[in-house]
Amino acid sequence: GAGVSQSPSNKVTEKGKDVELRCDPISGHTALYWYRQSLGQGLEFLIYFQGNSAPDKSGLPSDRFSAERTGGSVSTLTIQRTQQEDSAVYLCASSLWIGGTDTQYFGPGTRLTVL
Amino acid sequence: EDKVVQSPLSLVVHEGDTVTLNCSYEVTNFRSLLWYKQEKKAPTFLFMLTSSGIEKKSGRLSSILDKKELFSILNITATQTGDSAIYLCAAYSGNTPLVFGKGTRLSVIA
Repeated sequence: GAGVSQSPSNKVTEKGKDVELRCDPISGHTALYWYRQSLGQGLEFLIYFQGNSAPDKSGLPSDRFSAERTGGSVSTLTIQRTQQEDSAVYLCASSLWIGGTDTQYFGPGTRLTVL
Repeated sequence: EDKVVQSPLSLVVHEGDTVTLNCSYEVTNFRSLLWYKQEKKAPTFLFMLTSSGIEKKSGRLSSILDKKELFSILNITATQTGDSAIYLCAAYSGNTPLVFGKGTRLSVIA
């Protein structure tokens, strides 16, 4: 079956512009996660959605970052007024979130470059 | 604060060598530990470990968990250039998303 897909694969934008990154999770997966990976760094958790529960936004670095998940499936991560330090690979993952396990499957990522 | 620490941060070996990658964790209400391989952008799932002392094996890769000492190792035998990647370890507590380590960058040279 299809895996997690993300679009665009690459995005170059100018400082101050808004960007939207899209994630299509694996069908049937109830949990969806956004991570950020800066050059040479580990994965930084941003936000996750689990079913109909309120999202955990504890990892969002500033109020310029927001995300939504429509219909329990597709998610969009929005970064407003982008800054150069926002340049990173943004990874989306999804999982079934069965109690005791949370094997997350990752999408190919979006490489964001803010000039 | 939950944390996962991997070592070494980077490693260069020759083809055919055996490597051991380390992962230690401090996670409240620990449930499982996962290993991922990241070659380009997307990490791919390798193993999930929930019980101590039970080795998971896939080809030349194997992993084991020690819940008493709070660590896991990932072994790769007879390394190949295709094993070059960043290997990520992550711990799962059941209540919050995975906590990832910074990864070990493995380079296998011919």
